[in-house]
Amino acid sequence: DQQVKQNSPSLSVQEGRISILNCDYTNSMFDYFLWYKKYPAEGPTFLISISSIKDKNEDGRFTVFLNKSAKHLSLHIVPSQPGDSAVYFCAASEDGGATNKLIFGTGTLLAVQP
Amino acid sequence: EAQVTQNPRYLITVTGKKLTVTCSQNMNHEYMSWYRQDPGLGLRQIYYSMNVEVTDKGDVPEGYKVSRKEKRNFPLILESPSPNQTSLYFCASSGTGSNEKLFFGSGTQLSVL
Repeated sequence: DQQVKQNSPSLSVQEGRISILNCDYTNSMFDYFLWYKKYPAEGPTFLISISSIKDKNEDGRFTVFLNKSAKHLSLHIVPSQPGDSAVYFCAASEDGGATNKLIFGTGTLLAVQP
Repeated sequence: EAQVTQNPRYLITVTGKKLTVTCSQNMNHEYMSWYRQDPGLGLRQIYYSMNVEVTDKGDVPEGYKVSRKEKRNFPLILESPSPNQTSLYFCASSGTGSNEKLFFGSGTQLSVL
């Protein structure tokens, strides 16, 4: 049973436009959410996170929104750049964001077209 | 430079031939873990370790062993590899406070023929 779901395997966006990546979860005990970015032939790297006590966290061009009632989070990238082309994994954890309980989604491949 | 180092990057082997994938981190992290990435399944945790001599099963531990004799090293052992263990493997580490983030190695692409 997939507790963290990314229903869009891929997304294509024009450079300069907004990219919106979505993630749904089923476990209401999750209290910390993260996005990781992965380039080919590299390991995932941390991008941005949000605690369940917030509904928005912003870091430069990246903003994560959390809707607890819908059990949904999204990552907005504005403006999108070709260098943002990568696989994006959302992840969720409980117990104060314990990394041993981190559950990953299946990933969304973002392609930003020049 | 803070990093997680895995070796080898690529490995092709045959069914039943024991192999070890090494992982080392230089950030003095207590927590280390192994994941495998498969198409359509995302990243799934194999084993993790909260500290030296403390290891525990993740979601997909069957066919794997680990050991944590030193804080910096966390090798993944496949005693008798099978074709269904063909996958991309990642080692990761982090601190053990609240809201920590994982640092990943560059990955090991394993093919079992």
